[in-house]
Amino acid sequence: ETGVTQTPRHLVMGMTNKKSLKCEQHLGHNAMYWYKQSAKKPLELMFVYSLEERVENNSVPSRFSPECPNSSHLFLHLHTLQPEDSALYLCASRGRQGGNSPLHFGNGTRLTVT
Amino acid sequence: GENVEQHPSTLSVQEGDSAVIKCTYSDSASNYFPWYKQELGKRPQLIIDIRSNVGEKKDQRIAVTLNKTAKHFSLHITETQPEDSAVYFCAATLSSNTGKLIFGQGTTLQVKP
Repeated sequence: ETGVTQTPRHLVMGMTNKKSLKCEQHLGHNAMYWYKQSAKKPLELMFVYSLEERVENNSVPSRFSPECPNSSHLFLHLHTLQPEDSALYLCASRGRQGGNSPLHFGNGTRLTVT
Repeated sequence: GENVEQHPSTLSVQEGDSAVIKCTYSDSASNYFPWYKQELGKRPQLIIDIRSNVGEKKDQRIAVTLNKTAKHFSLHITETQPEDSAVYFCAATLSSNTGKLIFGQGTTLQVKP
């Protein structure tokens, strides 16, 4: 048990589908993150939420839409994705110490866009 | 722009040897530097971190050094074992307000028995 749970673990979707990724943390953290991990690329920061407010949107295409209803839950809504969006999507959370504390990652959702 | 450069991209060592991975960062305001290990098919896990008020930190076979003047930090693994084989990522926090953490490109470490 990592404290950060992501569902589903695997997702295959067509380019016209709409799906959502879910992340839940039970660590009492107040910041949550979405990262994209593609083959042979570094972890790319997508979104940061602090106290349920989006504080970072790293030039991510609008076909990715995040939602943070409370400090324990984070969603990533997907719509009309492209094959190049296939990747491992990692959620992470961080404690109240802010920028000087580590991220805790979930196990990720392996997304394949066909 | 804000970035973290990591070298080498791949590293192969014999069991028992030492391994060193180096990272440089661009933002002089960076003040927190974690290292993550990611085994195949698993999530990244924190193995050690260092804050800007410290020059070196050690935890058993793992150590990290930080040179703020040169803006680089390194991971040192001594007495490597096959189970150390994984991808290692360095990272730097660019802002303590938003907590934006930027990762290096990763180093694939292979420890040969």
